[in-house]
Amino acid sequence: TQLLEQSPQFLSIQEGENLTVYCNSSSVFSSLQWYRQEPGEGPVLLVTVVTGGEVKKLKRLTFQFGDARKDSSLHITAAQPGDTGLYLCAGASTRRGSTLGRLYFGRGTQLTVWP
Amino acid sequence: GAGVSQSPSNKVTEKGKDVELRCDPISGHTALYWYRQRLGQGLEFLIYFQGNSAPDKSGLPSDRFSAERTGESVSTLTIQRTQQEDSAVYLCASSPDRVKVYEQYFGPGTRLTVT
Repeated sequence: TQLLEQSPQFLSIQEGENLTVYCNSSSVFSSLQWYRQEPGEGPVLLVTVVTGGEVKKLKRLTFQFGDARKDSSLHITAAQPGDTGLYLCAGASTRRGSTLGRLYFGRGTQLTVWP
Repeated sequence: GAGVSQSPSNKVTEKGKDVELRCDPISGHTALYWYRQRLGQGLEFLIYFQGNSAPDKSGLPSDRFSAERTGESVSTLTIQRTQQEDSAVYLCASSPDRVKVYEQYFGPGTRLTVT
């Protein structure tokens, strides 16, 4: 059972378009992170959100943590080909039985931005 | 400073042989993780080491997989009697400490191909 569900799984858009990817769960997370992975490399941390309702902006990327700390979204404005990659969300679960310090990853959204 | 390093970067092995993958975490990082990533897929958790605590081995797919870590340094992931379904990229990540465990820094991975 996947603790974090990401959607869509694949997204192919033209340069200049806006997009939103989602990360949802029925569990509460003490923190949630977004990573981007490019081919042949390991994932790179983009942002961490820890407070329900929190919004963080990183240039053209806007990250939001749901009020109940069960979901998150990543919005990209005016996408560029350099944004192409696999976007992964990951959460530190508060669920009973989860291991302190372990991050639970979603399956990712593969984004392709065409010039 | 130096990031997480992994070796070898690529490994081709015959079915049935044993392989050993190495991870050098960032110096001073107490937590270390191993993940498996099949082609086009997200991250599959394998094992998590935190300081001197007992490792969380709940993600190891079978008893052919094992991992060791000496103190807060190098870790090795061993796969015995490799099978074709073991073909994947094996990623290692480290985190600074128990408080900032959500900051995972990934290595470039080892691409394992079992023929």
